[in-house]
Amino acid sequence: GESVGLHLPTLSVQEGDNSIINCAYSNSASDYFIWYKQESGKGPQFIIDIRSNMDKRQGQRVTVLLNKTVKHLSLQIAATQPGDSAVYFCAERTNDYKLSFGAGTTVTVRA
Amino acid sequence: SQTIHQWPATLVQPVGSPLSLECTVEGTSNPNLYWYRQAAGRGLQLLFYSVGIGQISSEVPQNLSASRPQDRQFILSSKKLLLSDSGFYLCASISGVRGNTIYFGEGSWLTVV
Repeated sequence: GESVGLHLPTLSVQEGDNSIINCAYSNSASDYFIWYKQESGKGPQFIIDIRSNMDKRQGQRVTVLLNKTVKHLSLQIAATQPGDSAVYFCAERTNDYKLSFGAGTTVTVRA
Repeated sequence: SQTIHQWPATLVQPVGSPLSLECTVEGTSNPNLYWYRQAAGRGLQLLFYSVGIGQISSEVPQNLSASRPQDRQFILSSKKLLLSDSGFYLCASISGVRGNTIYFGEGSWLTVV
Protein backbone atom coordinates (compact mmCIF):
# COMPACT_ATOMS: atom_id res chain seq x y z
CA GLY A 1 0.00 0.00 0.00
CA GLU A 2 1.13 3.59 -0.64
CA SER A 3 -0.03 7.02 0.47
CA VAL A 4 0.66 10.19 -1.43
CA GLY A 5 1.67 13.30 0.46
CA LEU A 6 -0.73 14.72 2.94
CA HIS A 7 -3.77 14.62 0.68
CA LEU A 8 -4.48 10.93 1.36
CA PRO A 9 -4.45 10.75 5.15
CA THR A 10 -5.36 7.07 5.35
CA LEU A 11 -3.64 3.93 4.14
CA SER A 12 -5.07 0.42 4.29
CA VAL A 13 -2.61 -2.42 3.83
CA GLN A 14 -2.87 -6.21 3.92
CA GLU A 15 -0.92 -7.91 6.68
CA GLY A 16 2.39 -9.10 5.31
CA ASP A 17 2.52 -6.57 2.50
CA ASN A 18 4.95 -3.67 2.39
CA SER A 19 3.71 -0.17 3.25
CA ILE A 20 4.91 3.14 1.87
CA ILE A 21 3.98 6.36 3.61
CA ASN A 22 4.86 9.60 1.89
CA CYS A 23 5.45 13.08 3.18
CA ALA A 24 6.12 16.36 1.40
CA TYR A 25 8.08 18.82 3.52
CA SER A 26 8.10 22.54 3.07
CA ASN A 27 11.47 24.02 3.94
CA SER A 28 14.51 23.43 1.76
CA ALA A 29 16.67 24.51 4.71
CA SER A 30 15.50 21.59 6.88
CA ASP A 31 18.46 19.49 7.95
CA TYR A 32 16.91 16.68 9.90
CA PHE A 33 13.81 14.55 9.46
CA ILE A 34 12.04 12.15 11.76
CA TRP A 35 9.25 9.60 11.44
CA TYR A 36 6.96 8.99 14.39
CA LYS A 37 4.21 6.55 15.11
CA GLN A 38 1.31 7.36 17.39
CA GLU A 39 -1.06 4.73 18.67
CA SER A 40 -4.47 5.71 19.96
CA GLY A 41 -4.31 7.48 23.31
CA LYS A 42 -0.52 7.54 23.44
CA GLY A 43 2.21 10.04 22.70
CA PRO A 44 4.35 9.89 19.55
CA GLN A 45 6.93 7.13 19.38
CA PHE A 46 10.18 7.63 17.53
CA ILE A 47 10.66 5.28 14.56
CA ILE A 48 13.62 6.44 12.53
CA ASP A 49 15.42 9.61 11.54
CA ILE A 50 17.62 10.83 8.73
CA ARG A 51 19.91 13.80 8.21
CA SER A 52 19.87 15.92 5.09
CA ASN A 53 23.30 14.66 4.05
CA MET A 54 21.84 11.17 3.55
CA ASP A 55 19.25 9.87 1.10
CA LYS A 56 18.48 6.52 2.70
CA ARG A 57 18.58 4.96 6.12
CA GLN A 58 17.45 1.55 7.25
CA GLY A 59 16.20 0.30 10.56
CA GLN A 60 14.44 -2.82 11.71
CA ARG A 61 11.75 -3.46 9.05
CA VAL A 62 11.71 0.25 8.21
CA THR A 63 13.51 2.33 5.63
CA VAL A 64 13.41 6.11 5.25
CA LEU A 65 14.13 7.71 1.89
CA LEU A 66 14.87 11.38 1.43
CA ASN A 67 14.66 13.21 -1.88
CA LYS A 68 15.84 16.76 -1.31
CA THR A 69 15.33 17.75 -4.92
CA VAL A 70 11.57 17.47 -4.62
CA LYS A 71 11.41 17.83 -0.82
CA HIS A 72 9.93 14.40 -0.34
CA LEU A 73 10.31 11.92 2.48
CA SER A 74 8.98 8.38 2.62
CA LEU A 75 8.77 5.60 5.18
CA GLN A 76 8.74 2.03 3.99
CA ILE A 77 7.57 -0.71 6.34
CA ALA A 78 8.40 -4.25 5.34
CA ALA A 79 6.01 -7.12 6.05
CA THR A 80 3.42 -4.93 7.76
CA GLN A 81 2.01 -6.37 10.97
CA PRO A 82 -1.21 -5.61 12.91
CA GLY A 83 0.89 -3.79 15.50
CA ASP A 84 1.91 -1.31 12.81
CA SER A 85 -1.61 0.14 12.77
CA ALA A 86 -1.21 3.73 13.96
CA VAL A 87 -0.96 7.32 12.78
CA TYR A 88 2.40 8.09 11.23
CA PHE A 89 3.87 11.58 11.27
CA CYS A 90 6.87 12.99 9.52
CA ALA A 91 8.69 15.92 11.09
CA GLU A 92 11.26 18.34 9.71
CA ARG A 93 13.75 20.45 11.58
CA THR A 94 15.20 23.63 10.20
CA ASN A 95 18.64 24.81 11.12
CA ASP A 96 17.21 27.07 13.79
CA TYR A 97 16.00 23.95 15.57
CA LYS A 98 12.32 24.44 14.88
CA LEU A 99 10.74 20.99 14.67
CA SER A 100 7.44 20.86 12.75
CA PHE A 101 5.19 17.87 12.17
CA GLY A 102 3.07 16.95 9.18
CA ALA A 103 -0.64 16.22 9.48
CA GLY A 104 -0.18 12.45 9.73
CA THR A 105 -1.26 9.34 7.83
CA THR A 106 -3.48 6.74 9.45
CA VAL A 107 -2.32 3.23 8.63
CA THR A 108 -4.76 0.35 9.07
CA VAL A 109 -3.50 -3.21 8.69
CA ARG A 110 -6.04 -5.75 7.43
CA ALA A 111 -5.75 -9.30 8.71
CA SER B 1 18.92 8.77 28.07
CA GLN B 2 16.62 11.61 28.91
CA THR B 3 13.49 11.58 31.00
CA ILE B 4 10.80 14.21 30.64
CA HIS B 5 8.36 14.89 33.43
CA GLN B 6 5.22 16.71 32.44
CA TRP B 7 2.34 17.66 34.74
CA PRO B 8 -0.45 17.76 35.42
CA ALA B 9 -1.45 14.76 33.33
CA THR B 10 -5.11 15.70 33.18
CA LEU B 11 -6.99 18.83 34.03
CA VAL B 12 -10.41 20.34 33.52
CA GLN B 13 -10.50 24.12 33.65
CA PRO B 14 -13.31 26.65 33.22
CA VAL B 15 -13.21 29.21 30.43
CA GLY B 16 -11.34 32.31 31.55
CA SER B 17 -9.25 30.53 34.16
CA PRO B 18 -5.43 30.52 34.08
CA LEU B 19 -3.25 27.64 33.00
CA SER B 20 0.19 26.41 33.91
CA LEU B 21 1.70 23.25 32.46
CA GLU B 22 5.18 22.35 33.55
CA CYS B 23 7.84 20.26 31.89
CA THR B 24 11.19 19.28 33.35
CA VAL B 25 13.96 17.32 31.73
CA GLU B 26 16.46 14.98 33.37
CA GLY B 27 19.55 13.34 32.00
CA THR B 28 20.82 16.10 29.77
CA SER B 29 21.84 19.74 29.71
CA ASN B 30 21.05 22.64 27.39
CA PRO B 31 18.29 20.82 25.50
CA ASN B 32 16.10 22.34 22.84
CA LEU B 33 12.59 22.25 24.25
CA TYR B 34 9.24 22.26 22.50
CA TRP B 35 5.55 22.59 23.33
CA TYR B 36 3.06 20.99 20.96
CA ARG B 37 -0.72 20.76 20.99
CA GLN B 38 -2.68 17.95 19.46
CA ALA B 39 -6.42 18.39 18.99
CA ALA B 40 -8.51 15.22 18.79
CA GLY B 41 -7.78 13.35 15.55
CA ARG B 42 -5.29 15.94 14.37
CA GLY B 43 -1.53 16.30 14.03
CA LEU B 44 0.98 17.97 16.31
CA GLN B 45 0.92 21.74 16.17
CA LEU B 46 4.13 23.44 17.24
CA LEU B 47 3.33 26.18 19.77
CA PHE B 48 6.68 27.27 21.20
CA TYR B 49 10.28 26.21 21.15
CA SER B 50 13.32 27.26 23.12
CA VAL B 51 17.04 26.83 22.49
CA GLY B 52 18.13 28.23 25.87
CA ILE B 53 17.15 29.90 29.12
CA GLY B 54 14.87 32.86 28.49
CA GLN B 55 14.81 32.21 24.72
CA ILE B 56 11.31 31.54 23.42
CA SER B 57 10.15 31.32 19.81
CA SER B 58 6.41 31.45 19.21
CA GLU B 59 4.86 29.80 16.21
CA VAL B 60 1.17 30.52 16.51
CA PRO B 61 -0.48 33.76 17.69
CA GLN B 62 -2.72 32.82 20.58
CA ASN B 63 -3.48 33.46 24.20
CA LEU B 64 -0.79 31.06 25.36
CA SER B 65 2.73 31.92 26.46
CA ALA B 66 5.84 29.97 27.36
CA SER B 67 8.76 30.55 29.65
CA ARG B 68 12.06 28.87 30.32
CA PRO B 69 13.26 30.00 33.73
CA GLN B 70 15.85 27.23 34.03
CA ASP B 71 17.86 25.15 31.60
CA ARG B 72 15.69 22.07 32.01
CA GLN B 73 12.35 23.64 32.79
CA PHE B 74 9.77 24.73 30.25
CA ILE B 75 6.39 26.16 31.25
CA LEU B 76 3.27 26.72 29.17
CA SER B 77 0.84 29.30 30.52
CA SER B 78 -2.33 31.17 29.82
CA LYS B 79 -3.97 34.01 31.71
CA LYS B 80 -7.45 33.22 30.38
CA LEU B 81 -8.31 29.91 28.77
CA LEU B 82 -10.59 29.60 25.76
CA LEU B 83 -12.69 26.60 24.78
CA SER B 84 -10.43 26.18 21.73
CA ASP B 85 -7.45 25.62 24.03
CA SER B 86 -8.70 22.12 24.81
CA GLY B 87 -6.39 19.40 23.59
CA PHE B 88 -3.44 17.21 24.31
CA TYR B 89 -0.24 19.11 25.12
CA LEU B 90 3.14 17.53 24.67
CA CYS B 91 6.54 18.70 25.83
CA ALA B 92 9.53 17.47 23.85
CA SER B 93 13.29 17.71 24.13
CA ILE B 94 16.26 17.29 21.81
CA SER B 95 19.80 17.53 23.12
CA GLY B 96 23.11 18.49 21.67
CA VAL B 97 24.06 20.92 18.97
CA ARG B 98 23.33 18.23 16.41
CA GLY B 99 21.01 16.16 18.60
CA ASN B 100 19.14 13.50 16.72
CA THR B 101 16.86 11.90 19.26
CA ILE B 102 13.70 13.56 20.48
CA TYR B 103 12.08 12.64 23.75
CA PHE B 104 8.45 13.33 24.59
CA GLY B 105 6.75 13.79 27.90
CA GLU B 106 3.66 11.77 28.73
CA GLY B 107 1.41 14.65 27.75
CA SER B 108 -1.27 16.70 29.47
CA TRP B 109 -4.93 16.41 28.60
CA LEU B 110 -6.64 19.79 28.97
CA THR B 111 -10.39 20.17 28.78
CA VAL B 112 -11.74 23.69 28.94
CA VAL B 113 -15.39 23.80 29.95
